[in-house]
This record gives sequence, C-alpha cells and structure tokens, in this order.
Amino acid sequence: DIVMTQGALPNPVPSGESASITCQSSKSLLYSDGKTYLNWYLQRPGQSPQLLIYWMSTRASGVSDRFSGSGSGTDFTLKISRVEAEDVGVYYCQQFLEFPLTFGSGTKLEIK
Amino acid sequence: EVQLVESGGGLVQPGRSLKLSCAASGFTFSNYGMHWIRQAPTKGLEWVASISPSGGSTYYRDSVKGRFTISRDNAKSTLYLQMDSLRSEDTATYYCATESYDYWGQGVMVTVSS
Repeated sequence: DIVMTQGALPNPVPSGESASITCQSSKSLLYSDGKTYLNWYLQRPGQSPQLLIYWMSTRASGVSDRFSGSGSGTDFTLKISRVEAEDVGVYYCQQFLEFPLTFGSGTKLEIK
Repeated sequence: EVQLVESGGGLVQPGRSLKLSCAASGFTFSNYGMHWIRQAPTKGLEWVASISPSGGSTYYRDSVKGRFTISRDNAKSTLYLQMDSLRSEDTATYYCATESYDYWGQGVMVTVSS
C-alpha cells in the first residue's frame, strides 16, 4: 500500500499569514500520462470533506485562489495564503494512483 | 445541484449486518464510478470500497474484503454498501463520494457494539 505522511503546522497560525502543509508518498504518484494522482481536502469541524486540489495542483471548482498545490512525484505542499477563520479544520492529502486508495493522517489548522 | 444522501446507519451488534444506501441526484449517476469512505470517531479518513459506472468492477480494502459488498442500481441512481459480519472496528461515519471525489454526502453513522 502507498503510505501518505503529512507534516504538522505550528498552530495557531496568525490570521493573514501563510501556512504550508506537507505530504509525502511512499511511491511516486506521477503516472505515465504526466498527471500526479494526488488530492487535497479540507474537513471543517462537523462537516464532510471538501475537495480543494486535484491532480496535485488544480483547484477544484469554487475553491479560493488562496489555496495552491505543488510538488514532485513524492513530495507535495498545500499552501494557504492569508489564512482566514473559515480555513480552520483538518487537511488531508490522498493518493488515487492505485487501490487501496490511501489518505494522510490529517493536519489540523488553527487560527490565532 | 449534485446531492448525495446516505441512509441506513445505526447501532448493530457485532456479527450482524447492515445495508447503507446513497441516493444520488443532480448528475447522470450511471456515467460515474462511486466510492465509500469512512471515518472512525476522532480519526482520519479511510477508503472502504469503489465501484465502476456499470458496476462490473469493484474494489475493497483488505479489512472488509469478503464481508462488505458495494453495488449500485443505476435505474434508481443509488449506491449501496452491504456490510456483513460487522466488527467493532467498523464503527465509523460512512460517506459516499463521486468518482472524482468532488461531491460527498453528509455521512451516516454506523456503531457496532453489544
């Protein structure tokens, strides 16, 4: 199975500052079609997960441009610019290159 | 508007069965694969099973293989998860999600306890 390892944030993050969340995969998620099979989600307290980024760097519909994804085949970063109160929650990375689909353990974001 | 509404959860004893449903609307259900993903209390997300648009291909995590069955009725735009031989470790909120993970249901709680 592909293991997804997420880094922690130095919480709380001051409002208006930037925050970067890291994620590492145990296998390259870059496929021969040139796409990287990595998603990022935000799960706000008491809510279902919301897709933020797919194919490592493409914002999902309706997602603020304050969110951006980048990385290589095994190392990924979700950057949140100018954090706001509505960004609070747990962020997950997920690989969908192969079954079993696997998620990182989550990174909690708190705002000061 | 895309909507996914799960139902069928509840409290069940270990070893018993439960069948979850996910009613889909707002898109052509038969064109898309679907997933079940769960989240144990205070824990992270865990993929459970996936199914192709026709239902001809299914995929499961090892811990539920042979106990859970994912299926779909495209005429009713409904996804199912039949859960047999339930264990305490199956206790979780179960979400259905669309093929590209861009839509999720509100989740349904399953508690396995005597």
